[in-house]
Amino acid sequence: SAVISQKPSRDICQRGTSLTIQCQVDSQVTMMFWYRQQPGQSLTLIATANQGSEATYESGFVIDKFPISRPNLTFSTLTVSNMSPEDSSIYLCSVPRDNWVKTQYFGPGTRLLVL
Amino acid sequence: QKEVEQNSGPLSVPEGAIASLNCTYSDQGSQSFFWYRQYSGKSPELIMFIYSNGDKEDGRFTAQLNKASQYVSLLIRDSQPSDSATYLCAVNYGGSQGNLIFGKGTKLSVKP
Repeated sequence: SAVISQKPSRDICQRGTSLTIQCQVDSQVTMMFWYRQQPGQSLTLIATANQGSEATYESGFVIDKFPISRPNLTFSTLTVSNMSPEDSSIYLCSVPRDNWVKTQYFGPGTRLLVL
Repeated sequence: QKEVEQNSGPLSVPEGAIASLNCTYSDQGSQSFFWYRQYSGKSPELIMFIYSNGDKEDGRFTAQLNKASQYVSLLIRDSQPSDSATYLCAVNYGGSQGNLIFGKGTKLSVKP
C-alpha cells in the first residue's frame, strides 16, 4: 500500500490569508487527488492533479481559489487562497490504489480552521 | 447528479451484536462499491470492496450488493467497541480510480 504524508497536519489561519498544503507519496503515481471534507459532510473531490499537465477541477471549484502544483510523480501541493471561515475543513490528498481495486488510498489529512 | 445516500446515524449497537449499515446509489452504471472506515480525526481506511451481486465476507465484515435495487450494505458481526467509527460508502461510477462518489457516512457506536 502507498504511504502518504501531508503537511501541515493542522493549522489555524486568519481570513484573507492563504495556506499551502503539501502531499508526499512514497511511490510514483500518475494521478493524485485532492478532497475536502467539511464538518459532518462527506468527501468532495476538489481536483485531480496530473504530473506535467494542468489540474482538472470539479464543478464548483476553481483554480484561482485552489491552485494546485504537481512538480513530479511523488509530490503535489494544494493552496487554499483568500480564506474565509467557510474554508474550515479537512483537506485530504489521495492516490489510486491499483488497477484491480479501483479506489484510493488517503493521506492523513490537514485540518484547517479559518477565523 | 450522481448521489450516494446513507443514514447519518448515529447507529448504536451493544457489543457482540450485528451492526447493519446501508447505502443506496443513483447511477445504474456503477460497477465498484467500497466501504471505508473513518475514526474520529483520522483519514478514511478501505475495509471492504464488492463488484458482483451477492455477499462478500472478510472476517467479521460482510458486504452485500444488489445492483437491481441499487443497494449496498455492510454487516459487522460480533461488534466491538473498536468498531465505533463513521463508515463511508463509496461508489465508482466511471471505471477510473478518480470516479468516486462518497456518501456522508453512518456513525456507528458500539456500547460495551
